Amino acid sequence: NAGVTQTPKFQVLKTGQSMTLQCAQDMNHNSMYWYRQDPGMGLRLIYYSASEGTTDKGEVPNGYNVSRLNKREFSLRLESAAPSQTSVYFCASSSRLAGLTDTQYFGPGTRLTVL
Amino acid sequence: KQEVTQIPAALSVPEGENLVLNCSFTDSAIYNLQWFRQDPGKGLTSLLLIQSSQREQTSGRLNASLDKSSGRSTLYIAASQPGDSATYLCAVKDSNYQLIWGAGTKLIIKP
Repeated sequence: NAGVTQTPKFQVLKTGQSMTLQCAQDMNHNSMYWYRQDPGMGLRLIYYSASEGTTDKGEVPNGYNVSRLNKREFSLRLESAAPSQTSVYFCASSSRLAGLTDTQYFGPGTRLTVL
Repeated sequence: KQEVTQIPAALSVPEGENLVLNCSFTDSAIYNLQWFRQDPGKGLTSLLLIQSSQREQTSGRLNASLDKSSGRSTLYIAASQPGDSATYLCAVKDSNYQLIWGAGTKLIIKP
């Protein structure tokens, strides 16, 4: 089992460029999440998908869009990148959003720099 | 709004010492509290999950406690080893089923 995979691992963009971060999980989990991690701060939720076919905004959704392509895949799109979006992005999955004993499993992260 | 704080931000101790990491949260209406480990350049790995009705959980040399009424959790690491060096993050599952994260404690164990 690969767990949660993310591509790419590193990316440098210029302001205004667009890109899509890909995430896939092979654990048959229902729920998937996108977080960003900035220095000195906790992880912040960008978007999540409680189940296939649904997506919801998290704490910091502005400037991002998501697609739950199928049960395995959840992508994050930056339509017009800004320097404030320089961050490390993590995808995670869990069996159920409301599962009180369910933990989240994380991918290795994408380090994004916007110049 | 739920806020999670971890103090200290960094900690350096000699190998073999027992140590305690602290996590505090402002709203006691949580479903659970989780401790994660993050190694440099890698994702996060779950260490322990304590449900709101529980007081503690143990896994090997790790013991996590939860005092919901005071808004505190501790992660106790016994007989620390250099391999324990990492950043430790705590997170609470709030009333919306979302994880709210602390900024982490960077732990260095000196050989």
